[in-house]
Amino acid sequence: GQNIDQPTEMTATEGAIVQINCTYQTSGFNGLFWYQQHAGEAPTFLSYNVLDGLEEKGRFSSFLSRSKGYSYLLLKELQMKDSASYLCAAFLGGSYIPTFGRGTSLIVHP
Amino acid sequence: DTGVSQDPRHKITKRGQNVTFRCDPISEHNRLYWYRQTLGQGPEFLTYFQNEAQLEKSRLLSDRFSAERPKGSFSTLEIQRTEQGDSAMYLCAQQLLGNGNTIYFGEGSWLTVV
Repeated sequence: GQNIDQPTEMTATEGAIVQINCTYQTSGFNGLFWYQQHAGEAPTFLSYNVLDGLEEKGRFSSFLSRSKGYSYLLLKELQMKDSASYLCAAFLGGSYIPTFGRGTSLIVHP
Repeated sequence: DTGVSQDPRHKITKRGQNVTFRCDPISEHNRLYWYRQTLGQGPEFLTYFQNEAQLEKSRLLSDRFSAERPKGSFSTLEIQRTEQGDSAMYLCAQQLLGNGNTIYFGEGSWLTVV
């Protein structure tokens, strides 16, 4: 998705914390999603943010700043099973059709 | 398990053949989306339904593609005269209205055109 930017790949160590950033075009913004996708599988819903601030769900947290067109997904106490692609998606341009980024491939190593 | 079922999960077909994928959502009162995803890319929007009405189609949806959602329940995506470039995972997703805007994906249907 040209309207959504996220890094292609990140690596981190087991037990550490990693932050995956996502920027988007702010015009007509209506909410932002994060999904986890393991290789060969469908995306799994992680979070949905529509208001500014941080939302925490166990080891995963998602942050949104609407004025900056910026979100991040924070993963704590990384486990090997967290190795996956993380997809940022948003309602943009006044639409309620989610536009997806290309995903960030996270590699967790021992 | 999101409760959104897709069938078949895997399909290998010869170029030129027609294929049909089915999606069974959790409930009828919702939006249902179809996406296509290729390796290393994010899902690309194809089309979506609000109940039985098909409200928008992407320019990716050539005249070889057609989608239906009779009576606002299950949905089908048909690809006619398949081409090798159609090889991808076809994803169905459901948005439950009245439950925030959470959108859940089915397991996906892998298509390989040989």
